[in-house]
Amino acid sequence: KQEVTQIPAALSVPEGENLVLNCSFTDSAIYNLQWFRQDPGKGLTSLLLIQSSQREQTSGRLNASLDKSSGRSTLYIAASQPGDSATYLCAVRPWDYGGATNKLIFGTGTLLAVQP
Amino acid sequence: EAGVAQSPRYKIIEKRQSVAFWCNPISGHATLYWYQQILGQGPKLLIQFQNNGVVDDSQLPKDRFSAERLKGVDSTLKIQPAKLEDSAVYLCASSLVLAGAQETQYFGPGTRLLVL
Repeated sequence: KQEVTQIPAALSVPEGENLVLNCSFTDSAIYNLQWFRQDPGKGLTSLLLIQSSQREQTSGRLNASLDKSSGRSTLYIAASQPGDSATYLCAVRPWDYGGATNKLIFGTGTLLAVQP
Repeated sequence: EAGVAQSPRYKIIEKRQSVAFWCNPISGHATLYWYQQILGQGPKLLIQFQNNGVVDDSQLPKDRFSAERLKGVDSTLKIQPAKLEDSAVYLCASSLVLAGAQETQYFGPGTRLLVL
């Protein structure tokens, strides 16, 4: 059974600092991995999607890496800003040999607070 | 482009009462998902529709939860009777196609349910 773990559960940093969020998963048979952002009272927004054959993806100040063999992904945020404050969720899409579902298995998230 | 719409945004009920949530996906999206997010946890998939057919409902507590997707567009999720442990945010998401490798899910703002 696939399980996704995220550490730390909460993180507080001063503005301008670079930071890394961690995600680990127990089964390396994944189709892709996504990082989402969740703001209070709002839904999830997809930040980056990494295919199982890829090692990393970048978007602006965000960089996500994937090491499928070790079951790990990291989300790197450069030069953090107060507007980055949110909960960050990691989700894996398990490999389905039947190809019928698009199930996402989520981690519990990291609550990030960037202090001005 | 309009996003995924959900209503109501908040609902407070007493245990053993019934409640229903409504979701309108992004226009043209064939796949619709309902997730349950308990406080402090990541979202958990309850049910997944492809057009108006159920693809995956393995984690739906069928003794009290039901869902339908009329004409392959809007969807309703019902709980009858509600229990205290059903207190959670119920998220609806949609995606364009089912099995595309790059396919991401777009989430609505969620309905926050409190069962007293």
